[in-house]
Amino acid sequence: GEDVEQSLFLSVREGDSSVINCTYTDSSSTYLYWYKQEPGAGLQLLTYIFSNMDMKQDQRLTVLLNKKDKHLSLRIADTQTGDSAIYFCAERRETGRRALTFGSGTRLQVQP
Amino acid sequence: NAGVTQTPKFRILKIGQSMTLQCTQDMNHNYMYWYRQDPGMGLKLIYYSVGAGITDKGEVPNGYNVSRSTTEDFPLRLELAAPSQTSVYFCASSPAEAQETQYFGPGTRLLVL
Repeated sequence: GEDVEQSLFLSVREGDSSVINCTYTDSSSTYLYWYKQEPGAGLQLLTYIFSNMDMKQDQRLTVLLNKKDKHLSLRIADTQTGDSAIYFCAERRETGRRALTFGSGTRLQVQP
Repeated sequence: NAGVTQTPKFRILKIGQSMTLQCTQDMNHNYMYWYRQDPGMGLKLIYYSVGAGITDKGEVPNGYNVSRSTTEDFPLRLELAAPSQTSVYFCASSPAEAQETQYFGPGTRLLVL
């Protein structure tokens, strides 16, 4: 199965909060990331969290990390139609290549 | 500051043809990566490089080759294109510092018919 798992789809109304969840399997992961991908575009880094933190807030974004359960979430407050995109969770393991392992992405649909 | 640039943006290949996907970064990053993204999926690592002259395989290297003769450039070569290589290809780079993430190019969409 996937090393990083995400639900495929989330639909919310404009102004509500969105919560996108992610689980990962490698306890040695030191950094966990959230990327946003709009249609036909590349990946845009939203935020990241170091594994010794349990929360990080950046304007409308809140990242929660439960290292014991290997669970990561991204909360978007006051969700806007411009937030509609695919959101990828990724982990970076401390191997020589420092490459990222991505989940399959969660498509967020924001209804007006 | 251009960041990571990729060319071409889109290409159609016939089965058996070859091509090179270009990737250039102007941030003096040591690490560079090639990923592919299949429809509805996350990104899979094809090849990576930790510096000029050093390359190594990722998760899905079959059918591809890379070279890294300079810090800036990391081209990806497809020798005998197959329909299974239809995908969107992303190049990324990152500095050596541990806390830094990867910066992605806009992608190359490849269709093999």
